[in-house]
Amino acid sequence: DAKTTQPPSMDCAEGRAANLPCNHSTISGNEYVYWYRQIHSQGPQYIIHGLKNNETNEMASLIITEDRKSSTLILPHATLRDTAVYYCIVLAGGTSYGKLTFGQGTILTVHP
Amino acid sequence: DVKVTQSSRYLVKRTGEKVFLECVQDMDHENMFWYRQDPGLGLRLIYFSYDVKMKEKGDIPEGYSVSREKKERFSLILESASTNQTSMYLCASRAQAGGSREQYFGPGTRLTVT
Repeated sequence: DAKTTQPPSMDCAEGRAANLPCNHSTISGNEYVYWYRQIHSQGPQYIIHGLKNNETNEMASLIITEDRKSSTLILPHATLRDTAVYYCIVLAGGTSYGKLTFGQGTILTVHP
Repeated sequence: DVKVTQSSRYLVKRTGEKVFLECVQDMDHENMFWYRQDPGLGLRLIYFSYDVKMKEKGDIPEGYSVSREKKERFSLILESASTNQTSMYLCASRAQAGGSREQYFGPGTRLTVT
C-alpha cells in the first residue's frame, strides 16, 4: 500500500471550511484513498473514500487531483466536535482482509 | 446506523489474570478485527476473522487468542495478562464483498494491567 504524507497539525475557525491535504505520490491504479478520524479516547471513525472521482457524503467531501497524487478532505462547516486526528490512508481495492495502518495523521483543532 | 460495541470502556486487571474482551457488530459483516493502539506505535493488528470459526494472526498475536462462534461476535482473550498488554484495544468490522474496504470501529477498551 502507498505511503501518505500529511501536515502534523492545522487550525480552523468554527463555521469555516477545514481543508486537510494529503500527498500520496506513489499511489497505484487500483488503490483507493480513505479518510478516518479519531476523536480523543474514542475509536477511529470512517469518513469517506474515493478512487479517482470527487466524492461527497453527509460528513465531508473528498477532492482527488487528476493525477491522483494528492487529495483534500473538506469539512464544509467545521464545528468544535470536529477536533480530532485525521488519517489519510491508501489501500488497494478488492476483497483482501484489509489491515489498517495509520500514520501520524493531522491534528485538526477547531477553535471558537 | 452502523454499530460496533465493546463490552467495557475501561478495565483494570492484575498480572496473570485471564481477560476477555468482547465485540459485537450489528451490520452482518463477515470480517472482524482486533487492534491495539499505543502512543508512538500507532494501530497494530492482533487478529482478524473472515468468517465464523475462522481466524488469522495479525502482526502481534503473541499472548492473545480469539474466538468467533457467531457472526456478530468476536472475542479477544488475554490468556495471562501482563503489564506490557496495557493498551487501548479496538475492535472493527468490515463487509467481505466489494471493492470498498472501510472498517467500522467500536469505542475501544482501555485496559490497564497492574
